[in-house]
Amino acid sequence: DIVMTQSPGSLAVSLGERATINCKSSRSLFYNTDNKNYLAWYQQKPGQPPKLLISWASTREFGVPDRFRGSGSGTDFTLTISSLQAEDVAVYYCQQCYDTPLTFGGGTKVEIK
Amino acid sequence: QLQLQESGPGVVKPSETLSLTCSVSGGSIRSSNSYWGWIRQPPGKGLEWIDNVHYSGSTNYNPSLKSRVTMSVDTSKNHFSLRLYSVTAADTAVYFCARARGGPAALFDQWGQGILVTVSS
Repeated sequence: DIVMTQSPGSLAVSLGERATINCKSSRSLFYNTDNKNYLAWYQQKPGQPPKLLISWASTREFGVPDRFRGSGSGTDFTLTISSLQAEDVAVYYCQQCYDTPLTFGGGTKVEIK
Repeated sequence: QLQLQESGPGVVKPSETLSLTCSVSGGSIRSSNSYWGWIRQPPGKGLEWIDNVHYSGSTNYNPSLKSRVTMSVDTSKNHFSLRLYSVTAADTAVYFCARARGGPAALFDQWGQGILVTVSS
């Protein structure tokens, strides 16, 4: 199985400041045939299902604010919230979609400082 | 707009079978490129993928649960179902159904609200 490791487990950031979440996979998620990294990011607010934010490591879903940016390749990925807003308080998960069994990172809880 | 809705019992006794259905509305479950999946989340914990199914009936299971899981599709009712056998307290979780985009190894772009299933006598 591909193990997904997120860090930190939680972070507190001031409004308007940058939040950075890391995700590391135990195997490369880069697929040569289509030049894509098979990595997704989700946001989960309390009492809600996860919401897909970013696919293929760096493609924002329709309607996702541009303050959310995904980057990285291979085994190391980052989700950056460039200017944290109150509505961004949530738990964020990465997920590899390279191979089954599909696996998620343990989550990163983002709070306001 | 595609919507998914889980249904089933909120409490299941230990050793019995958990049965859930996900009803899809606003779109066809027969969409050629869509797989449909189940993901669960124990209270206060992270996400665990259970399985994916294509409308043709092709399935992919998480090996950690494979021996206890069956997934099926009913295209006439536009829904898919999960059966988890011989449940224990460790199966207590919120169960989400979702549309899987990209094949059996996929990301999940539409989710149901989730249903809490508690295993308790």
